[in-house]
Amino acid sequence: AQSVTQLGSHVSVSEGALVLLRCNYSSSVPPYLFWYVQYPNQGLQLLLKYTTGATLVKGINGFEAEFKKSETSFHLTKPSAHMSDAAEYFCAVRAPTSNTGKLIFGQGTTLQVKP
Amino acid sequence: ETGVTQTPRHLVMGMTNKKSLKCEQHLGHNAMYWYKQSAKKPLELMFVYSLEERVENNSVPSRFSPECPNSSHLFLHLHTLQPEDSALYLCASSQDYWQGADGYTFGSGTRLTVV
Repeated sequence: AQSVTQLGSHVSVSEGALVLLRCNYSSSVPPYLFWYVQYPNQGLQLLLKYTTGATLVKGINGFEAEFKKSETSFHLTKPSAHMSDAAEYFCAVRAPTSNTGKLIFGQGTTLQVKP
Repeated sequence: ETGVTQTPRHLVMGMTNKKSLKCEQHLGHNAMYWYKQSAKKPLELMFVYSLEERVENNSVPSRFSPECPNSSHLFLHLHTLQPEDSALYLCASSQDYWQGADGYTFGSGTRLTVV
């Protein structure tokens, strides 16, 4: 069974600073990995995903994430935070082949960006 | 038109009322999901439909009743709710429930307040 852990329920950075949101997963096989963003009173929007191939994936709004199999991690980064990046971020994992291939979501990390 | 549309966006109902939430997807997906998102709590998967058949019902109280008349539409019928049912209700869809490299596409949600 897959599981995902997001380290830190709340992260605060200054505008222009590096954003690092941590995600670790547990899976018996290399999974599919996703990051979603949720703005207040909105649904979740896909930021990026890893399925196969290049382990560094780029997403929308300048975000990127790197799949590290040895560390079972898929951390989300952005070089320079903008005020508009303040939102809730969810990491999710999905087994590539399974009887129940549903997405498993982490608890979420709230990103605060200070001026 | 967005891929997954939820109506209404906001709903205030009394504990004795009966109301329904509607979700419609125009993506040709085969699986649809209802999630509950309460403040300070992780996403809770409520129901899953695959090819119009309910495949998951995660210990949801009977005052919530889902309906999936076809692969494009999903309803959540509500009756005799409690104040703790106040939350953001999210609908999502995916190409396939059992497997696939795709993530989910979410609607914008319905903000439900029970008074």
